[in-house]
Amino acid sequence: QKEVEQDPGPLSVPEGAIVSLNCTYSNSAFQYFMWYRQYSRKGPELLMYTYSSGNKEDGRFTAQVDKSSKYISLFIRDSQPSDSATYLCAMTFSGGYNKLIFGAGTRLAVHP
Amino acid sequence: ETGVTQTPRHLVMGMTNKKSLKCEQHLGHNAMYWYKQSAKKPLELMFVYNFKEQTENNSVPSRFSPECPNSSHLFLHLHTLQPEDSALYLCASSQAVRAGIYGYTFGSGTRLTVV
Repeated sequence: QKEVEQDPGPLSVPEGAIVSLNCTYSNSAFQYFMWYRQYSRKGPELLMYTYSSGNKEDGRFTAQVDKSSKYISLFIRDSQPSDSATYLCAMTFSGGYNKLIFGAGTRLAVHP
Repeated sequence: ETGVTQTPRHLVMGMTNKKSLKCEQHLGHNAMYWYKQSAKKPLELMFVYNFKEQTENNSVPSRFSPECPNSSHLFLHLHTLQPEDSALYLCASSQAVRAGIYGYTFGSGTRLTVV
């Protein structure tokens, strides 16, 4: 079993839709959870991070962590064509010894 | 220049060639990483350097040889590669201890094609 599972997609939605991206994980010791966005021909950039369980909101983006289910989500409201990218989840342990564990990434396409 | 810079952006090499990838960070970070990114696969951690010392080698074949002369520069020396080594190679940096809080800063990567 992989440590982090993420559906690679692709996911295609119309502009204005609410997008839900998800990851599951197997290691209950993970405490820091992140979402990276990667545009074509670019490296990943940190989009959001959360510590332990709960929600975090930043503009149109909401990150949600459910540690009891080992499940994290990223919601994008009012999606825009500029949101078209690959979204990678990542997580690490408390203390964060230098090592993020990544999901495979979900490719999202938002069409006008 | 700011952030993490990788050169070259694209590289095509034959299986008998020797080439090097370069990474430079201007963020004052103390940890640097090499990742391999292949289509529909999770990022594969290759090497970790913490304060110039290699702290992790993730069972990477010896045809990949890293070098970290200082905390700002990281190289990946390549020789006798195989076609399956074709991928995007990403360099990243972080504060050494607090990667979990602040995450990594990635470069734009080198797209490597082995022919």
